[in-house]
Amino acid sequence: ELKVEQNPLFLSMQEGKNYTIYCNYSTTSDRLYWYRQDPGKSLESLFVLLSNGAVKQEGRLMASLDTKARLSTLHITAAVHDLSATYFCAVSRDDKIIFGKGTRLHILP
Amino acid sequence: EAQVTQNPRYLITVTGKKLTVTCSQNMNHEYMSWYRQDPGLGLRQIYYSMNVEVTDKGDVPEGYKVSRKEKRNFPLILESPSPNQTSLYFCASSLGTQSMNTEAFFGQGTRLTVV
Repeated sequence: ELKVEQNPLFLSMQEGKNYTIYCNYSTTSDRLYWYRQDPGKSLESLFVLLSNGAVKQEGRLMASLDTKARLSTLHITAAVHDLSATYFCAVSRDDKIIFGKGTRLHILP
Repeated sequence: EAQVTQNPRYLITVTGKKLTVTCSQNMNHEYMSWYRQDPGLGLRQIYYSMNVEVTDKGDVPEGYKVSRKEKRNFPLILESPSPNQTSLYFCASSLGTQSMNTEAFFGQGTRLTVV
């Protein structure tokens, strides 16, 4: 059974600091996804990671994938208040998609 | 504009009264999916569809039905809603989980309350 675990579930951090969100999954997968959700809003796609060693960057966010460790990370560099949101990772396998519980990120000015 | 449209956005209904939440996409996507979002549980996939007339169960399909008669539409049907189906529902579409470009687009969500 495919399971997805995110850590931490809550994170409060100061502007300017770096931090990493971790996403572990239990079995082999086809794709790994990162999404952002602002309060009361829908989900926005951030990254799709296809293969081992994949790294993608957009602004202050960088995602990487290690399929051997079944681990993806979302790294935040020099956080700014606008990045406050809930971040979800999700994994697809055999056309099903399983989400992690999400990481609620609060960045203090 | 590329979009996934859900209707209604908000719905309060009574136990046992059949309802349908509509979902439509204008991107010619093959893969469509329904999720429910509950506090502390993240999103859970209810049903998905690989293409017209092809649907399959996700993680939490009990109490729900779907149909895919046209590529653009993927309605979610609750034949006899119960209070434990009170949730925030999202529809999403993409080219498919095996495609190189599998970015998913989500609808705005439907907040359903069953009393």
